[in-house]
Amino acid sequence: AQTVTQSQPEMSVQEAETVTLSCTYDTSESDYYLFWYKQPPSRQMILVIRQEAYKQQNATENRFSVNFQKAAKSFSLKISDSQLGDAAMYFCAYRSAWDGSGGSNYKLTFGKGTLLTVNP
Amino acid sequence: ETGVTQTPRHLVMGMTNKKSLKCEQHLGHNAMYWYKQSAKKPLELMFVYSLEERVENNSVPSRFSPECPNSSHLFLHLHTLQPEDSALYLCASSQGTSVRNEQFFGPGTRLTVL
Repeated sequence: AQTVTQSQPEMSVQEAETVTLSCTYDTSESDYYLFWYKQPPSRQMILVIRQEAYKQQNATENRFSVNFQKAAKSFSLKISDSQLGDAAMYFCAYRSAWDGSGGSNYKLTFGKGTLLTVNP
Repeated sequence: ETGVTQTPRHLVMGMTNKKSLKCEQHLGHNAMYWYKQSAKKPLELMFVYSLEERVENNSVPSRFSPECPNSSHLFLHLHTLQPEDSALYLCASSQGTSVRNEQFFGPGTRLTVL
């Protein structure tokens, strides 16, 4: 079974600075997807960024980028020029790329999350 | 309304009560999901519906009973719950269940079981 570990329960960053959130995972599969989700207080969880394991290039979305190290099974999220609106719980998640015969492998495996505080 | 909505946002119930959580998606998706988010634990997938048919039941106790009357609505019927069932229940939807299809989440229902 796959597991996702976020070793930092809480992190803080000064506004306009850069912060990196850590995520490691364990899997025996070779093809999979990794995700970072953001859950602001009392608001919807939204997808921040997605990485396909077979792609060597690290995904980027504006101020958000990942450092994907497949051999080390590491998938960290870097937030540049942090803004007050970035304050949220961040979840790392894993999903197999195998869709399965007659259906899909539906399960997103989540880490426990990292609470990010942005200080003005 | 846009996106995925959930009602009620907060619910307090006794162990002998029967209640239902409602989820509605306004995105034209054909797959819907229930997740449980407990304090200090990772999100857990509970149920998946694709084209109104249940395709995944992730070892969830029978005191949780899902219902998907159409592709836009998903319910979670609750009865004789336990205090450890207190959690945030999240609904999500996607266009198809492939890993390539992003899941869009609702704001959740905060459930407290007394």
